[in-house]
Amino acid sequence: QSALTQPASVSGSPGQSITISCTGTSSDVGFYDLVSWYQHHPGKAPKLVIYEITKRPSGVSNRFSGSKSGNTASLTISGLQAEEEADYYCCSLAGSGTWVFGGGTKVTVL
Amino acid sequence: QVQLRESGPGLVKPSETLSLTCTVSGGSVSSGSHYWSWIRQSPGKGLEWIGYIYYRGMSNYNPSLKSRVTLSVDTSKDQFSLRLNSVTAADTAVYYCARFDGHNVFDYWGQGTLVTVSS
Repeated sequence: QSALTQPASVSGSPGQSITISCTGTSSDVGFYDLVSWYQHHPGKAPKLVIYEITKRPSGVSNRFSGSKSGNTASLTISGLQAEEEADYYCCSLAGSGTWVFGGGTKVTVL
Repeated sequence: QVQLRESGPGLVKPSETLSLTCTVSGGSVSSGSHYWSWIRQSPGKGLEWIGYIYYRGMSNYNPSLKSRVTLSVDTSKDQFSLRLNSVTAADTAVYYCARFDGHNVFDYWGQGTLVTVSS
């Protein structure tokens, strides 16, 4: 299994919307509706922000949203805030009960 | 609130075995609803799923690491452990333990522990 492909970095100004893509294959992202997204501030524990492509855990801002088309999933952060500057990782079931993560995207708030 | 904390040596010599333990508090590794996972992040790279284990011993591993990895659970101590043998510099990483839940997500994570492989 190969890592899912994410852009290395995405940036936006406060209040803007940004979208992070996560491209896999027809054996992982394209096959299963089990893509999740994690926010990671360095030195801290990663935090789940989206699961099962579009669902938000309790306590996560509704400015976080997810979608999927074909082999690519996406995370959108609307109304970008300074505290959302972090690394973001996608994750998908890859078959046979194994899981694969993306390479991570550094979000910078300008 | 469930909390996880990794512990173990921060330095391991090449060809030796890396051993880490994750202690769970605020919950139980015997919970029938969860698997217990290890994930790592090598310097400058993304996250890599290592594997997970159920309290009854059933486990699953990343195919790329399967030949070198063993996970175990100690229900009496609410701990689970990782052993990675024949390590090389490529195994240098921050190792995280995490809980895997019924929604197919890693919902609670430890803070991570850096393990360096060097002589």
